[in-house]
Order: sequence, then structure tokens, then C-alpha cells
Amino acid sequence: EIVMTQSPATLSVSPGERATLSCRASQSVASHLAWYQQKPGQAPRLLMYAASTRATGVPARFSGSGSVTELTLTISSLQSEDFAVYYCQQYKNWPLTFGGGTKVEIK
Amino acid sequence: EVQLLESGGGLVQPGGSLRLSCAASGFTFSTYAMTWVRQAPEEGLEWVSGISDSGTSTFYADSVKGRFTISRDNSKNTLFLQMNSLRAEDTAVYYCAMAAITNWYFDLWGRGTLVTVSS
Repeated sequence: EIVMTQSPATLSVSPGERATLSCRASQSVASHLAWYQQKPGQAPRLLMYAASTRATGVPARFSGSGSVTELTLTISSLQSEDFAVYYCQQYKNWPLTFGGGTKVEIK
Repeated sequence: EVQLLESGGGLVQPGGSLRLSCAASGFTFSTYAMTWVRQAPEEGLEWVSGISDSGTSTFYADSVKGRFTISRDNSKNTLFLQMNSLRAEDTAVYYCAMAAITNWYFDLWGRGTLVTVSS
């Protein structure tokens, strides 16, 4: 099983600042990685797939980078609606696995 | 409107069974693989099970293998999850989700249904 480790667990950021979220895989996932955003009481929402491709309707301030075992989600200038929990998910191998999540909170 | 709507959650005793359903609308259900993902209270996301578009291929997390069965009825645009031998650690919100046409990431999610396993 590919273990996905996200860091940090919590990120305190001021509105307008940049946020960088890390996702590390225990073995190569190539670019078979997705990012999701989840707000309290809501289902997850797909942000990014293939490591760096934005899903439909996702603002350009979100970007994904990296491959193999080190992947990153960057939010260039945090807006109020971006404070949420973010999860990475690999779909390179079965079983599919999610990271533990990074909570982005207001500083 | 494109949507997924789960039902069938509730309170069940340890060792009991429950069958979840997920009704799809607004898209051609039979052309998409589907999955179940769960989230325990105050915890992260855990993938549970997946099924191919035709239903011929199924996949399970080790934590549910042998206890849960995923299936689908493409004539009724419905996904199912039969859960047997339920344990307290199965308590979670269960989401159904639609996989992308070419890969196993999920671009449409339902709102979830809560399963509570407790005596």
C-alpha cells in the first residue's frame, strides 16, 4: 500500500498570503495524484488531478507541482473561501489512498 | 442537474448489516466507474471500495475486504454498498463518488450518509 503523508497538519496563514502544502508518497505515484478541498459539513471537492491540472472551475491561484514521491499544492494568495482542509490522493496503485489532510486556518 | 444522492445510513449494532444506495442523475451512469469513500468523525478520508463502469471489476480496502460488497444496477442508475459484520470502527459518513472517465480520481461527490455502529 502506498502511504501518503501530508504536512504540515495545520497551516496558519493570513488572507492574501501564500500557502504551500506538501504531500509525500512512500513510493512513486508518478503524476497520479489528486488534491481535494473539504469545508466543514461538506463533501470533498476536486481541485487538481494529474498532479498539476486544475479541475473545472478551480481558480488559477491554485497550482500543483511535483511528481514521483514529492508533490505540492500552492495557493498563491489566500482568499477567505480557501480556509478548509486539503487532502491528496494517489491513484497509481490499489488500494487507493488519501493523505491525512492539511487544515489551512486563518492566522 | 448532475448529482449523487446517498441513502440507507443509520444506527446499527455491532455485527449487524446495512445496505447503502447512491442514486445518480444528470449523467450517463453506465459509463463511469464509481467508488465509496468514508470519513470517521473528526477524521480524514478513507477509500473503501470501487467498481468499474460495467460492474465486472471491483476493488476493496483491506479494512473492509470480505465484509463489504460493492455493486451497481446500471438500468436503475444506482450504486450499492452491502456492509456486513459491522464494527464500531466502521462508524463514518459514507460518500459515493464518480470516477473520472480515464482514471480513479473523483470529480463528483454525493453529500454522504452517516452510518453509526453502536450497541
